[in-house]
Amino acid sequence: DTEVTQTPKHLVMGMTNKKSLKCEQHMGHRAMYWYKQKAKKPPELMFVYSYEKLSINESVPSRFSPECPNSSLLNLHLHALQPEDSALYLCASSQGTSKYQETQYFGPGTRLLVL
Amino acid sequence: DAKTTQPNSMESNEEEPVHLPCNHSTISGTDYIHWYRQLPSQGPEYVIHGLTSNVNNRMASLAIAEDRKSSTLILHRATLRDAAVYYCILRDNWNTGTASKLTFGTGTRLQVTL
Repeated sequence: DTEVTQTPKHLVMGMTNKKSLKCEQHMGHRAMYWYKQKAKKPPELMFVYSYEKLSINESVPSRFSPECPNSSLLNLHLHALQPEDSALYLCASSQGTSKYQETQYFGPGTRLLVL
Repeated sequence: DAKTTQPNSMESNEEEPVHLPCNHSTISGTDYIHWYRQLPSQGPEYVIHGLTSNVNNRMASLAIAEDRKSSTLILHRATLRDAAVYYCILRDNWNTGTASKLTFGTGTRLQVTL
């Protein structure tokens, strides 16, 4: 099973709402990632978790709060977002054992619209 | 970070071979060349990777120039299902932790027509 699942597929939220995006993988991977992709642009890395610890935060605003409760799950908590945060949010995972040759497996993404 | 340069878009006829170029003139000796593609309404997916030698797998072939300053992804017989954005990515020489970064460039949008 090489599947990364993400829920929900679509999300509409107001600027005062709190919501969470969820990502799950059962491949035994120990590295998990959040990417943000604006329309017609390439994905941009937001966060990396390695062995359930945050190892990279690409200077993401604090209104985005990641959480890795266990090795299979990755959450992204959203609070007080702005309309410009509307984007496709992609989750990915990889084995977490090699720097150069690891394949990252992506989920289908959550399309977020902030009103 | 070493950067890659790809054409914005390319067109191909179905059942024809497609050669997608990538320039990476500042590549370092330990950078691997990876290709991912993103089909419409999907997340990116891995295609192939290599270091110095040409590589083949069931999806594609990767031809790497002798000086490693450029590479070409080859789809031997394009189908409509190959219409996607293809990203050429150099894996970051990153020493922190065991995870590794993917830094996407703008990619090449491949259109396949009947």
